[in-house]
This record gives sequence, structure tokens and C-alpha cells, in this order.
Amino acid sequence: AQSVAQPEDQVNVAEGNPLTVKCTYSVSGNPYLFWYVQYPNRGLQFLLKYITGDNLVKGSYGFEAEFNKSQTSFHLKKPSALVSDSALYFCAVRDVPGNTPLVFGKGTRLSVIA
Amino acid sequence: DAGVIQSPRHEVTEMGQEVTLRCKPISGHDYLFWYRQTMMRGLELLIYFNNNVPIDDSGMPEDRFSAKMPNASFSTLKIQPSEPRDSAVYFCASSALLGLAGGAGDYEQYFGPGTRLTVT
Repeated sequence: AQSVAQPEDQVNVAEGNPLTVKCTYSVSGNPYLFWYVQYPNRGLQFLLKYITGDNLVKGSYGFEAEFNKSQTSFHLKKPSALVSDSALYFCAVRDVPGNTPLVFGKGTRLSVIA
Repeated sequence: DAGVIQSPRHEVTEMGQEVTLRCKPISGHDYLFWYRQTMMRGLELLIYFNNNVPIDDSGMPEDRFSAKMPNASFSTLKIQPSEPRDSAVYFCASSALLGLAGGAGDYEQYFGPGTRLTVT
């Protein structure tokens, strides 16, 4: 069975500094990895995904994520954080093709301080 | 498109009462998912449908929970009787094949705004 771990409940970063939100995964087959963001009182919004190809994936709002197979990681990054990036971030995985449900991590709360 | 629509946005009820949550998926999407979000357990899948047929309901916590999808544009999640431990945010999500390859990457899920349920 697949699983996702987000080791940090909370990440604090100063505005303008680079940010990293960590995610590690465990799957039996090939991983299909996703990042979603949740703003207060809103549903989850898709940010980016890794299916195959380049290990560096670029997504919405200037975010990117790096797939590292040897470390089974898929960390979310942004070169320069904005206060408006403050939200709850979820990593998710599936290990079979098709429309099977995603398995989500518990989420990491990002706070960007002005 | 209006996106996934959920109603009500907030529901406060007393223990023992029946609660019905509603979801309208994005038009043309053939998969629908119900999730529950709590501080303790994070985001949990309850049940999902494909073409209105339940595929996996193993996440439904107990017999008090039931879900239906009578047609492609409407689904309900019912709790009867409700208990305080059911208090959570319930999300509905829908998805469909976006590209031609049919691989896992084509199936992005689109979430509704959620229903915040409080059972007192």
C-alpha cells in the first residue's frame, strides 16, 4: 500500500526567502506524485504533479517540486516566498495508473512572515 | 464552469439527528470522491464513485454513514444518527480523463469548498 509522510507540521519562512516543504513517499510500483494547497475555508487546489520525465516539475504560482527516486522524496520549493503563500500544503501519491484515489499526507502549514 | 459545488457550507446539528451533505461535481467528470478532514487524522477517503457506481466504500467509518449518486450531477453523504465525533470538514472532489494517454497523471482531482459539520 502507498503512503506519504510530511515530516513537518509547520514551516515558517520570511518573505522573500526560499521555501521548502518536505514530502517522502512509499509505493510498491511507480509513484505518481501530487501537491495540493488549501487556503483557509477553501477546498484543496492542485499545484503540480510528477508522472514521468524531468525530475524537476514546475507548477502554479511559481512553485516547483523535485522528484528524487533514490531518496523517495518529492519536496515542494519556491525561490522567493510571498505572504500570500501562507496556507496548508498536502502531498499525495498513487501507485497505479488510472483514476484510483490519492493517498494524502497530513499536511504542512506554511507561514510566510513579512 | 462553477467547479465542484457543495451544500451546505456549514452545518450544526445535535447528536442523534440525521445529516445530509450534498455535492454537484464538475459537468463531464465521471469520478466522484468523498473525503473527511480532521486535525487528528488529516484527509481521509470515505468512498468514491465511477459513473455513479460506488467503487470503494472501505473508508466509510461505520453503518451510520451512507452515500449515493443517483445521477452524474449529484451525490449525497448521509450520517444517521450523527455523533459528536463526526464533526469534521467533508470534501467532495471530482475528476475525469483530461488527456489522451489515460495514465495516472491525467486524473487531477478538483475539490469543492467543503462542508464544515459540527455535531453537539
